[in-house]
Amino acid sequence: DAGVTQSPTHLIKTRGQQVTLRCSPKSGHDTVSWYQQALGQGPQFIFQYYEEEERQRGNFPDRFSGHQFPNYSSELNVNALLLGDSALYLCASSLDLGLVEETQYFGPGTRLLVL
Amino acid sequence: EDQVTQSPEALRLQEGESSSLNCSYTVSGLRGLFWYRQDPGKGPEFLFTLYSAGEEKEKERLKATLTKKESFLHITAPKPEDSATYLCAVQASTDYKLSFGAGTTVTVRA
Repeated sequence: DAGVTQSPTHLIKTRGQQVTLRCSPKSGHDTVSWYQQALGQGPQFIFQYYEEEERQRGNFPDRFSGHQFPNYSSELNVNALLLGDSALYLCASSLDLGLVEETQYFGPGTRLLVL
Repeated sequence: EDQVTQSPEALRLQEGESSSLNCSYTVSGLRGLFWYRQDPGKGPEFLFTLYSAGEEKEKERLKATLTKKESFLHITAPKPEDSATYLCAVQASTDYKLSFGAGTTVTVRA
């Protein structure tokens, strides 16, 4: 059973550039969440996608945007990169069960370095 | 605003020396409290979900407990392979997001 996969594993960009990160959810999952984890900190929620729509967003600027495809995979786009965007970007997938708790399973992450 | 505070920040243990990690939280209606393990440079690995005060769950040398304000992760007779950062997260009943603490980094020496 394939777990959550992310690509690329590492990425180096310069300030002002744009980046796209990709995520394939665990088999059977339909919901994808994105988190940013700075060094030494816990993951911070960026947004969650369900049924190809963003249904909850954290405290991140509009430079962060996303998309979910019909096969449930997802992309995270970051425009006008800043040095402070350097972090580990984590994708988590889950199965929407309505009002029941949904455990989120994380991928290995994409390490982004902005120079 | 949900808040999660983990202590201590770091814990150094001798192999076989049992200890506990603390996770204090404030949330408006708890849907679930989650424990994850994270190895350096990797994504968090799911360990446990706790739903209500008094609940306990065990997995190998780990045992998680929950009260109305705190959760504890007990590590019994740890081994070097238990060295990792342990993350606690809460999910409010009105939320889809997880709110994480900063983690406790555990180092177990042989």
